[in-house]
Amino acid sequence: AQSVTQLDSQVPVFEEAPVELRCNYSSSVSVYLFWYVQYPNQGLQLLLKYLSGSTLVKGINGFEAEFNKSQTSFHLRKPSVHISDTAEYFCALHQGGSEKLVFGKGTKLTVNP
Amino acid sequence: SQTIHQWPATLVQPVGSPLSLECTVEGTSNPNLYWYRQAAGRGLQLLFYSVGIGQISSEVPQNLSASRPQDRQFILSSKKLLLSDSGFYLCAWSADRGGTDTQYFGPGTRLTVL
Repeated sequence: AQSVTQLDSQVPVFEEAPVELRCNYSSSVSVYLFWYVQYPNQGLQLLLKYLSGSTLVKGINGFEAEFNKSQTSFHLRKPSVHISDTAEYFCALHQGGSEKLVFGKGTKLTVNP
Repeated sequence: SQTIHQWPATLVQPVGSPLSLECTVEGTSNPNLYWYRQAAGRGLQLLFYSVGIGQISSEVPQNLSASRPQDRQFILSSKKLLLSDSGFYLCAWSADRGGTDTQYFGPGTRLTVL
């Protein structure tokens, strides 16, 4: 069965610092990978997705992620964070042919001044 | 453009009372529809999904049920709420059958069972 592991439940950083949110997945077949962001008391919004092709994927708000098949990882990065990036971030996996997304438990990013 | 609505936005219900949460999608046809629950510290749990009218797949056996009476309407129900049903309920839709399309989420319903 496929699964997604987000290694850090909480990540505090200072404004303008770089950040990496880690995501590892487990699947025996090819997958599609997603990062979503959730601001307090709101629904989820897509940041970026990897379907195929270039392993470096750029998304909205200056975020990017790199798909690493050998390490089964899809880590999210931003070179310089803002206070407004404070939110919860979810990594998700979609197995080819399935109708479902499998989500990690989320990482709460807190950007401090 | 497509939009997804959920109501109510917040709900406080006593234990043992019934529940009905509604989700509607505009601007698309024959979407896949999903119900998720977020409980504190537990991430997103897929509850139900539907690929068409009257077609419901249940992911977790529990106190809840779902129905899809119309193409773009998805309803989450319970006959008797439990304390453990408290959480943030999210509806989502996607267009693609192959898994490459994005799931678009509604604004959510905050349910508190007392």
